[in-house]
Amino acid sequence: AQKVTQAQTEISVVEKEDVTLDCVYETRDTTYYLFWYKQPPSGELVFLIRRNSFDEQNEISGRYSWNFQKSTSSFNFTITASQVVDSAVYFCALSVIKYGNKLVFGAGTILRVKS
Amino acid sequence: KAGVTQTPRYLIKTRGQQVTLSCSPISGHRSVSWYQQTPGQGLQFLFEYFSETQRNKGNFPGRFSGRQFSNSRSEMNVSTLELGDSALYLCASSSGGLDPDTQYFGPGTRLTVL
Repeated sequence: AQKVTQAQTEISVVEKEDVTLDCVYETRDTTYYLFWYKQPPSGELVFLIRRNSFDEQNEISGRYSWNFQKSTSSFNFTITASQVVDSAVYFCALSVIKYGNKLVFGAGTILRVKS
Repeated sequence: KAGVTQTPRYLIKTRGQQVTLSCSPISGHRSVSWYQQTPGQGLQFLFEYFSETQRNKGNFPGRFSGRQFSNSRSEMNVSTLELGDSALYLCASSSGGLDPDTQYFGPGTRLTVL
């Protein structure tokens, strides 16, 4: 079975602080994909990144960066110099090929960035 | 390209009624998936449709059903509504390849069952 754990229920930071959101996943499949989505108060899930299990390269996109470590089954997300607009719920998700596009989501982490 | 659209955005129903939600995917996308989001259970996969066929199904009772049309638009139906069906229902579309693809989500339909 697949499982995603986001241990941090809620994080509060002050603007310009760096913040890391943790994600730990479980699967016995060797080929899988990991995702991060952002859900602002409007409710729509916004895609941030997709990473397959064979690509452990870290990725940086502007103020966002992701650290994928298969050895610890983790796919952590860091926001550098956080801004108020980053306030949202962030979801980590897992998908394995045999289940097609089925996403298994973590419980989400609420990020509050205060000015 | 226009994003995923869902109608209606809000619905209020009473127990025992049935409801139909609609989803129009991004143009060119052939896969549509549905998810239920509740405060208690989080985001849960309902089912996926590809080329008018259900390709995957989550662990929901048979009261939850769906279909996909030849233009890739999808509907989901919930019969005999229960209070616990109150949720945000999200639709997502993707190109539909064999590998898990990036899914793009619509704004959701918020269903309230009284």
